[in-house]
Amino acid sequence: SQQGEEDPQALSIQEGENATMNCSYKTSINNLQWYRQNSGRGLVHLILIRSNEREKHSGRLRVTLDTSKKSSSLLITASRAADTASYFCATTRGYGGSQGNLIFGKGTKLSVKP
Amino acid sequence: DGGITQSPKYLFRKEGQNVTLSCEQNLNHDAMYWYRQDPGQGLRLIYYSQIVNDFQKGDIAEGYSVSREKKESFPLTVTSAQKNPTAFYLCASSIDRWSSGTEETQYFGPGTRLLVL
Repeated sequence: SQQGEEDPQALSIQEGENATMNCSYKTSINNLQWYRQNSGRGLVHLILIRSNEREKHSGRLRVTLDTSKKSSSLLITASRAADTASYFCATTRGYGGSQGNLIFGKGTKLSVKP
Repeated sequence: DGGITQSPKYLFRKEGQNVTLSCEQNLNHDAMYWYRQDPGQGLRLIYYSQIVNDFQKGDIAEGYSVSREKKESFPLTVTSAQKNPTAFYLCASSIDRWSSGTEETQYFGPGTRLLVL
């Protein structure tokens, strides 16, 4: 079953606007990661936030984590057409035979129009 | 120039044929992974390997096989037993699978798209 679920499934904005994507998860985590995937390409790691952190910044990216609500958000400020991609959250599986492996959500498809 | 490579970019499989997807990394990472991605979906784990000569099944291992004879290489074979192999296959690596810090970050290859003739 999916650990992380992104919301919305698709998001379309104009260049220069901010884009916010959300991720909810079910079980306790050590950390949560966000990845980006351009169409037909591999995933690229964006940022990792640990369970004892509430907010983290990297360039135009801001990630928040609320462990009480089991949710995270990714904010991309001043979006550019090059930000068009799918964005996935990933958490670490803490149970079963695949303990320690990442579980990915289905992603949010972001389209930034010039 | 360090990184993780996959080949081929596109692969066509005939009915009843086994095909092998290549994955190579020069990042000196211990852990390697194979994922399958279907359209509009997230990634599902096929197999993973924490160390040379050791690998474990993921969530959807049926119809697939792997080997890990060298640290740098983790090839995936899609066997004829996999009845619905059409998908995008992604290989990834990480420094260490068990640590709880940034070592869990995975680095992905560019992917192989497998199509059935």
